[in-house]
Amino acid sequence: DAKTTQPPSMDCAEGRAANLPCNHSTISGNEYVYWYRQIHSQGPQYIIHGLKNNETNEMASLIITEDRKSSTLILPHATLRDTAVYYCIVRVANLGSGTYKYIFGTGTRLKVLA
Amino acid sequence: ETGVTQSPTHLIKTRGQQVTLRCSSQSGHNTVSWYQQALGQGPQFIFQYYREEENGRGNFPPRFSGLQFPNYSSELNVNALELDDSALYLCASSPALTGGYTFGSGTRLTVV
Repeated sequence: DAKTTQPPSMDCAEGRAANLPCNHSTISGNEYVYWYRQIHSQGPQYIIHGLKNNETNEMASLIITEDRKSSTLILPHATLRDTAVYYCIVRVANLGSGTYKYIFGTGTRLKVLA
Repeated sequence: ETGVTQSPTHLIKTRGQQVTLRCSSQSGHNTVSWYQQALGQGPQFIFQYYREEENGRGNFPPRFSGLQFPNYSSELNVNALELDDSALYLCASSPALTGGYTFGSGTRLTVV
């Protein structure tokens, strides 16, 4: 029941911006979009999240379209250490419990090239 | 501030056996979720614990069970292991029910 679709792989030149797209056309109005990355089968690392406004932090920017059916994660100046699998995630309510779970897709394998 | 720690890091079990995986949540975090990640796939939600009770479950059979303790640490138990249970098992903790999870490095389980 994946709610996100991402390209399986992307390359980016070191120092350039990496733009990672994600489609989440079935997202509901109160479901947040989260981005995590995973390096070498370590635990996923939090990057950023948002609901409908664009967000920026020290790691990245998140651009969410007005209809919320897609988003783009931007790493402004990619380095070799940014090589990882990037997951676009929808936070979904566990029905009846007031709690939430993450629905992961299959992710985008980003390779930053020297 | 310590992060989420999981033990053991690697484990090999035989089909039909039982296994217990352990997770210590990050300080101040009272919500714990478990995920299964098969090779080349994204993590799949198993279940979540809050205040020592299970309060959310994914599409996993009852032989996957868990516990949360008063100090918010947690265990994942899997009975009657199958070959397809081979995966990376991830624990994630959060300070609230609303998400913002910190993940551990996982336990790599191999069933032979």
